Amino acid sequence: KQEVTQIPAALSVPEGENLVLNCSFTDSAIYNLQWFRQDPGKGLTSLLLIQSSQREQTSGRLNASLDKSSGRSTLYIAASQPGDSATYLCAVRGSSSGSARQLTFGSGTQLTVLP
Amino acid sequence: GAGVSQSPSNKVTEKGKDVELRCDPISGHTALYWYRQSLGQGLEFLIYFQGNSAPDKSGLPSDRFSAERTGGSVSTLTIQRTQQEDSAVYLCASSLDRGRSSPLHFGNGTRLTVT
Repeated sequence: KQEVTQIPAALSVPEGENLVLNCSFTDSAIYNLQWFRQDPGKGLTSLLLIQSSQREQTSGRLNASLDKSSGRSTLYIAASQPGDSATYLCAVRGSSSGSARQLTFGSGTQLTVLP
Repeated sequence: GAGVSQSPSNKVTEKGKDVELRCDPISGHTALYWYRQSLGQGLEFLIYFQGNSAPDKSGLPSDRFSAERTGGSVSTLTIQRTQQEDSAVYLCASSLDRGRSSPLHFGNGTRLTVT
């Protein structure tokens, strides 16, 4: 059974810092990995999706990397801003017939960027 | 609409009553998911619909939970004889398909409180 872990559970940084959020998964047989952000009281917003054949994806100040063999992904946020404060979740979609139908989520990293 | 729409946004019900939660996916999205997010917990998969295929109900926690999707579009999640432990945010998501390049798009969820 796939398990997804996110460390740290919470992170507080001053504005302007570059930071890295970590995600690890136990089963490397994945289709893709997706990073989301969730604001309080809201649903999830998709940030980046990395296919299993890719090593990284970039969108603006965000860069996500994937090392499938070691079961790890990182989300790099450059020049952090108070508006980046949210909970960041990673999720993997399995590639086996039973696990491809759903995403397995980590429990998230709660990020606070202090002005 | 442009995004996934869920209703109601909030629902308070008495223990033992039945509730229905509605999800309108993005037009043209064939895959639809229901997840549950309890306070301080990660997202828990409930059920998955893909086109006209039989739904994957493997995540439903008990037989009090059921879901249907009419005409391949709108979905309703029904919880019968609600219990206090059913209190959570119920999130719906849709995607174009379950292929490699299809990110999930989430609604804002329904916050269910069972008193």
